[in-house]
Amino acid sequence: EAQVTQNPRYLITVTGKKLTVTCSQNMNHEYMSWYRQDPGLGLRQIYYSMNVEVTDKGDVPEGYKVSRKEKRNFPLILESPSPNQTSLYFCASSFGTGGEQFFGPGTRLTVL
Amino acid sequence: GDSVTQMEGPVTLSEEAFLTINCTYTATGYPSLFWYVQYPGEGLQLLLKATKADDKGSNKGFEATYRKETTSFHLEKGSVQVSDSAVYFCAPYSNTGNQFYFGTGTSLTVIP
Repeated sequence: EAQVTQNPRYLITVTGKKLTVTCSQNMNHEYMSWYRQDPGLGLRQIYYSMNVEVTDKGDVPEGYKVSRKEKRNFPLILESPSPNQTSLYFCASSFGTGGEQFFGPGTRLTVL
Repeated sequence: GDSVTQMEGPVTLSEEAFLTINCTYTATGYPSLFWYVQYPGEGLQLLLKATKADDKGSNKGFEATYRKETTSFHLEKGSVQVSDSAVYFCAPYSNTGNQFYFGTGTSLTVIP
């Protein structure tokens, strides 16, 4: 089954404790992206990647890192999480840069 | 920069009512236009799209027409059902910036 998977689905952590949210797709997509969804703000792009070893900042990259060492994986790293990063995070992928995006189920992160 | 303005919700309609959700955008170049839908507890999924002026996207009874002269992509459905209750996002894709811009989302509740 074609899908985008994210782990964990739910995470509660404390300020400053490094964490990684994994994202994997099995559709051989070149383009992958991370978004955060906050009430009243919709989805905002954090980082995106157009291919292996090619990443770029979206609209809200501060406090986040990403890597794209393999085509299928695009982890999101929070080196020192803060409470303002409490949010619902979505990973998405697509064949090309302007194609239909397939979204993961989301990761709900709470930083205390 | 590129942006999108979407009708604010929440919207509550009775079953079989007519639905319009307004969406206007600003973009450099000629973006592709998408509507995504998010059902409760799920990630976003593509509802419909249009890639050039005057194109009409349609799916599941929903329609939207790419209006270049008014930079709009309003979503319509002639007769909504309870199962249409969800959050709807308008999302232009900017090929100059290689990224999607999502609206804030419009929550729709359809009551029997």
